[in-house]
Amino acid sequence: EAGVVQSPRYKIIEKKQPVAFWCNPISGHNTLYWYRQNLGQGPELLIRYENEEAVDDSQLPKDRFSAERLKGVDSTLKIQPAELGDSAVYLCASSSRGQGRMVETQYFGPGTRLLVL
Amino acid sequence: AQSVTQPDIHITVSEGASLELRCNYSYGATPYLFWYVQSPGQGLQLLLKYFSGDTLVQGIKGFEAEFKRSQSSFNLRKPSVHWSDAAEYFCAVVTNAGKSTFGDGTTLTVKP
Repeated sequence: EAGVVQSPRYKIIEKKQPVAFWCNPISGHNTLYWYRQNLGQGPELLIRYENEEAVDDSQLPKDRFSAERLKGVDSTLKIQPAELGDSAVYLCASSSRGQGRMVETQYFGPGTRLLVL
Repeated sequence: AQSVTQPDIHITVSEGASLELRCNYSYGATPYLFWYVQSPGQGLQLLLKYFSGDTLVQGIKGFEAEFKRSQSSFNLRKPSVHWSDAAEYFCAVVTNAGKSTFGDGTTLTVKP
């Protein structure tokens, strides 16, 4: 079974430029998460999708960040314009809700390491 | 709002020695608890999880963790550490509504 796929793995951009990250979850997983991980810290949830619906985007800085999951499968996270403080690792995770439970194990991709100069 | 504290930023142990990584959480109901491991440049890999039932849970790579409700803790243990265990370890709590909060991690160094 293929894991969560993310691309690109690394991205270097200048501030004020746009950037986009792509995530393909594990096949059949209906829940998709985007996290930001700053150096020396744990992942912070940016947005959680249940199928196509964003059910928790309370931590997403909506002035510059946007995300979409149009067909309930893969997802794109965009930053426009990027700021120096956006340098971080952006992690995507997916899970499969079964047995009527709200909580299931999240499986993480390798992440995209973003450096904003 | 829930929170997770991992009091030890960095721990160094000798190979073959026992290990305990601490995790304390704050949440008003029974939490779902996870331990993940992250090697450099990699994503997070699940070590073990607690949903309900037996408070001592076994995971991969010889790790175990014990949920202690009275102490709001979910400490990770391993009886004998291997050099390949050197990595960063994250504790996470997930609420009944599916909201995840991670600690800031503990970096484990293993001395030969």
